[in-house]
Amino acid sequence: DAGVIQSPRHEVTEMGQEVTLRCKPISGHNSLFWYRQTMMRGLELLIYFNNNVPIDDSGMPEDRFSAKMPNASFSTLKIQPSEPRDSAVYFCASRTYEGVKHFGDGTRLSIL
Amino acid sequence: GDSVTQMEGPVTLSEEAFLTINCTYTATGYPSLFWYVQYPGEGLQLLLKATKADDKGSNKGFEATYRKETTSFHLEKGSVQVSDSAVYFCALSETGGFKTIFGAGTRLFVKA
Repeated sequence: DAGVIQSPRHEVTEMGQEVTLRCKPISGHNSLFWYRQTMMRGLELLIYFNNNVPIDDSGMPEDRFSAKMPNASFSTLKIQPSEPRDSAVYFCASRTYEGVKHFGDGTRLSIL
Repeated sequence: GDSVTQMEGPVTLSEEAFLTINCTYTATGYPSLFWYVQYPGEGLQLLLKATKADDKGSNKGFEATYRKETTSFHLEKGSVQVSDSAVYFCALSETGGFKTIFGAGTRLFVKA
């Protein structure tokens, strides 16, 4: 199994630009999660989906953030417009029925 | 609400030393408990888990026992190696729930 696949691994862009992060969950996992990790705030849950439907987006920091899951094998997290304080590592994870989370290797985002 | 508290790091040990990382939790139901490990530049990965009281999870020489009476799930290893240097996260997930509650993480440094 290929595991959770995220792209890009690194993204450097200027503030104000649109950023799109991508995730392919493990086949057969029905739940998908987006997290953000920073030194200051640790690991934060942004949003999660079950069967492609957003269940809880209360962790999304602002309206500049949006996430979609058009099908069971793909999700995006978009930031528009981006700001320097959005710099972080963004992780996607999918979940087994038993509750075990499988994380991708993350996207390291730097907004200049 | 549910919560996880783990000891602050960093923890610095010499190779072959004994490791304990404390973790306590609060939960309204009967959660499953997990330890995840994060190596540099990677996402979190499951280290071990326990699904009910008195269960012992073990993997790669690490162990943790689900103690309902003390609401604890302490991580132990008898002899650490330099390759164990990483950040360790204690976590819980309620049965049937989607969310995983993560502790703040404990960074472990092992010196040769």
